[in-house]
Amino acid sequence: GAGVSQSPSNKVTEKGKDVELRCDPISGHTALYWYRQSLGQGLEFLIYFQGNSAPDKSGLPSDRFSAERTGGSVSTLTIQRTQQEDSAVYLCASSRTRDTGELFFGEGSRLTVL
Amino acid sequence: DAKTTQPTSMDCAEGRAANLPCNHSTISGNEYVYWYRQIHSQGPQYIIHGLKNNETNEMASLIITEDRKSSTLILPHATLRDTAVYYCIVISSNQFYFGTGTSLTVIP
Repeated sequence: GAGVSQSPSNKVTEKGKDVELRCDPISGHTALYWYRQSLGQGLEFLIYFQGNSAPDKSGLPSDRFSAERTGGSVSTLTIQRTQQEDSAVYLCASSRTRDTGELFFGEGSRLTVL
Repeated sequence: DAKTTQPTSMDCAEGRAANLPCNHSTISGNEYVYWYRQIHSQGPQYIIHGLKNNETNEMASLIITEDRKSSTLILPHATLRDTAVYYCIVISSNQFYFGTGTSLTVIP
């Protein structure tokens, strides 16, 4: 596709369940970012992938959160044992190279933990 | 990373210029200033960026002070569709910290 694609667009889950959120970046973009945005708040950085380098996981809030990027393209953000405070919009962005600050964002995945 | 501070909210009359300030007093010499905006329920959208010189594109102008400790994003003729949250970001090592931005409301 022409833009960053995220799925699912909406996810409602019960507390304690695991969820997986998917991001398809723009073809050829080597950098990929995950952010979280709680209602009425700014964007919270979670994790950054650049090519084949080790990801920057410094923003992950707990060990229940993990992410991987397979083949330098698609990324999956996994949240284990979800809690109500995990409810937020999870945004993925990609950029052409590590030297450009022009990020292209997807529409986000809205997670609601009941 | 350099931190930025922005006013929480601003209003602007439709058709007038919107001037959005940002302070980044701890910016270092090789750090760029980026501006993004987020319209309700959408992902953020890139607007413009600069290092030292003023920049202009089809969306906006960016004025950076000579000491680089502050900048102003200018929307020359604000429209109702420019109502959004505007983020000023200083990046280094590919870390983008968005903060809470300025909520701009364009008033008819």
